[in-house]
Amino acid sequence: DAKTTQPNSMESNEEEPVHLPCNHSTISGTDYIHWYRQLPSQGPEYVIHGLTSNVNNRMASLAIAEDRKSSTLILHRATLRDAAVYYCIALLGAGSYQLTFGKGTKLSVIP
Amino acid sequence: DAGVIQSPRHEVTEMGQEVTLRCKPISGHNSLFWYRQTMMRGLELLIYFNNNVPIDDSGMPEDRFSAKMPNASFSTLKIQPSEPRDSAVYFCASSSLGPNQPQHFGDGTRLSIL
Repeated sequence: DAKTTQPNSMESNEEEPVHLPCNHSTISGTDYIHWYRQLPSQGPEYVIHGLTSNVNNRMASLAIAEDRKSSTLILHRATLRDAAVYYCIALLGAGSYQLTFGKGTKLSVIP
Repeated sequence: DAGVIQSPRHEVTEMGQEVTLRCKPISGHNSLFWYRQTMMRGLELLIYFNNNVPIDDSGMPEDRFSAKMPNASFSTLKIQPSEPRDSAVYFCASSSLGPNQPQHFGDGTRLSIL
């Protein structure tokens, strides 16, 4: 399994960008990087995913290192609603359905 | 659009009782997943279905747990008999068929076994 490593917690000021790092040094060439977040008392919510190229959507950007051993989730302007636990997941293989959640990074947003 | 609907939202029952958790996936989604979340173990995948067929149940903790998907719009997770260590939040998720499809989660069922 491709293990991911994330900081336990991070803080950000409201309306500032946030860069959430993830290390996945044992990732294989066909493992996609997925990010989910979980707001308090809610189920996880899909954020973004990618394989090799940087990806953008309305929620966030995903920057994947050239060697694919690390990635960074970028929230361009943090809001209070972005306070959540963020999970970085290496989805095993091109045909896998199974998300393996780690402990994630708890993001606090300071008004 | 309606998301994944789970019921009940909360369940409190005594040890030894049968518990049935229900899930209605998003219409058109062909993959369905059951997860369990506890403080000690985090989020764990229990079982998932593709086109109503169970594909991988290796995460189901023991024979007391069973899951069914009789049709594309309904799934159940049953625990019989229940034990205090089954207390957790159980989430159902659905996605379009195919790997790497985003999974959409329900709000979960908070289960307490006394």
